[in-house]
Amino acid sequence: KQEVTQIPAALSVPEGENLVLNCSFTDSAIYNLQWFRQDPGKGLTSLLLIQSSQREQTSGRLNASLDKSSGRSTLYIAASQPGDSATYLCAVRRNTGKLIFGQGTTLQVKP
Amino acid sequence: DTGVSQDPRHKITKRGQNVTFRCDPISEHNRLYWYRQTLGQGPEFLTYFQNEAQLEKSRLLSDRFSAERPKGSFSTLEIQRTEQGDSAMYLCASSLVGARSGNQPQHFGDGTRLSIL
Repeated sequence: KQEVTQIPAALSVPEGENLVLNCSFTDSAIYNLQWFRQDPGKGLTSLLLIQSSQREQTSGRLNASLDKSSGRSTLYIAASQPGDSATYLCAVRRNTGKLIFGQGTTLQVKP
Repeated sequence: DTGVSQDPRHKITKRGQNVTFRCDPISEHNRLYWYRQTLGQGPEFLTYFQNEAQLEKSRLLSDRFSAERPKGSFSTLEIQRTEQGDSAMYLCASSLVGARSGNQPQHFGDGTRLSIL
């Protein structure tokens, strides 16, 4: 059974810091991995999608890496801003289509 | 691109009542997914459709739950005889999957928050 774990559960940093969020999964037979952002009371916003054959994806200040063999992904946020405060979720997709989510990392960036 | 739309945004009802939620996916998307999220947890998969065919259902989807996508466009999720444990955010997502489009990300709506009194 695929399990996804995110560490840490919560993180507080001062504005301007670079930070790394971690995601691990138990079964390396994934189709892709997706990182999302969720603001309180809202749905999920897709940030980055990494196909199983890829090693990383970049979008602006965000960089996501994938190491399938070790069952790990990281989301790197450069020069963090207060507007980055949210819960970040990673999810893996098997070939069946459904996403299996971690519990999320709640990030607070202090001005 | 108007995004994934869900209605209603909030639903408060008494235990034992039936409720129905609606999801309108992004228009060209052929796949539609339902997830449930409780406070402090990541979303959990419930079911998904490719066009009008329901291809997979989670064990979380008891016989009180039914989902439809009759014309391959919008979908409804009905919960009969609601229980306290049904209180959650119900999220809908859609994506485009196919030989030409490859494997696109899932896009989520803002969800329907269900509260059972």
